[in-house]
Amino acid sequence: DVKVTQSSRYLVKRTGEKVFLECVQDMDHENMFWYRQDPGLGLRLIYFSYDVKMKEKGDIPEGYSVSREKKERFSLILESASTNQTSMYLCASSFEGLARSTDTQYFGPGTRLTVL
Amino acid sequence: KNEVEQSPQNLTAQEGEFITINCSYSVGISALHWLQQHPGGGIVSLFMLSSGKKKHGRLIATINIQEKHSSLHITASHPRDSAVYICAVRFNWNTGNQFYFGTGTSLTVIP
Repeated sequence: DVKVTQSSRYLVKRTGEKVFLECVQDMDHENMFWYRQDPGLGLRLIYFSYDVKMKEKGDIPEGYSVSREKKERFSLILESASTNQTSMYLCASSFEGLARSTDTQYFGPGTRLTVL
Repeated sequence: KNEVEQSPQNLTAQEGEFITINCSYSVGISALHWLQQHPGGGIVSLFMLSSGKKKHGRLIATINIQEKHSSLHITASHPRDSAVYICAVRFNWNTGNQFYFGTGTSLTVIP
């Protein structure tokens, strides 16, 4: 079974703090993703990565950065947390197979971040 | 415009009822994904479709490529089916592995 884990289930931080959210997958997947989920807006892609040290901006990258130094680990960084970054953050991974249309994304349990 | 719309937003059903959740999208896709999210946040993949129909237990997913529409059906619904169901699509123009998500349908099944 694919396992995607996230470093925290709940996190409370203060405005201006630097925040690290970590995601680890154990299936040697090439692709990893960071989403945020807000009521009424669904999941929105922040950043994704196709390979180690490679990253691409998603739909809402402002205020975030990412790091992928090892294949199994994808970190999301909030350089200076703000209250509008209070959200549920979900990490996902998928295998970059030849049949691209069958690439299932596997999700972590989510981190509920509150910025005060 | 890349849109994914789901209906209904909220659904309450009695145990045993047949349930249908709909997903429509605006332009051509290469894949459509149905996801289930239980309270607490964990998301589980139910189906990945590019054509036709798939069945897994009491769950059935269909897709009509021409009409740009997919449905998720739950037969003999049970309280444990209570969750948010999310439709996600990968548009044809997108050469990467990026999915676009609907806002979800919140299902409550009452015993």
